[in-house]
Amino acid sequence: GAVVSQHPSRVICKSGTSVKIECRSLDFQATTMFWYRQFPKQSLMLMATSNEGSKATYEQGVEKDKFLINHASLTLSTLTVTSAHPEDSSFYICSAGGQFLRGYTFGSGTRLTVV
Amino acid sequence: AQTVTQSQPEMSVQEAETVTLSCTYDTSENNYYLFWYKQPPSRQMILVIRQEAYKQQNATENRFSVNFQKAAKSFSLKISDSQLGDTAMYFCAFMSDFGNEKLTFGTGTRLTIIP
Repeated sequence: GAVVSQHPSRVICKSGTSVKIECRSLDFQATTMFWYRQFPKQSLMLMATSNEGSKATYEQGVEKDKFLINHASLTLSTLTVTSAHPEDSSFYICSAGGQFLRGYTFGSGTRLTVV
Repeated sequence: AQTVTQSQPEMSVQEAETVTLSCTYDTSENNYYLFWYKQPPSRQMILVIRQEAYKQQNATENRFSVNFQKAAKSFSLKISDSQLGDTAMYFCAFMSDFGNEKLTFGTGTRLTIIP
């Protein structure tokens, strides 16, 4: 089945630094990748939709200058949290798929802790 | 905009028993997809079952089945012969048949299987 590989699984960074999270579609081409944020015991909140070769579309309230998304190829999308602060600590998940897969497959998530 | 409602924040059931998780949604569309995702403690999102709105027959995957009531906009998940490994958060999700293919998630139900 379709697989999305997400790295790193865990990262701890100092406040003010930047962190990059990668998501790769291993056995299919993902023209669209979705990025979610999940707080403990809550549902997934869509942050942005990345499209290969074009600018990402951000959901209302998400700072596009803080959460930089790049989708340079059909198999790779990255989320960079810039100038991270403790309030950015969260669980970030990517997903890809859609109608052609009759659904979505998710990365394994990245637990970001900003200290 | 579509909304997905899961009215049961938490449920628990004895091992081997049957449990039903409820989900209702609101949409003006006629064609769409519905999903149940499982998120165990590992936090990996796992597709449990999917239903296309144009199909009248309820989807079934081994011990998992749905009761899809299109007119009532209801999409419940039944887990038969529950197992300890079924302990997880369960999210109901909606995807439009056209447009940007975003997933809209419910708030989730935390299911605990009691040995």
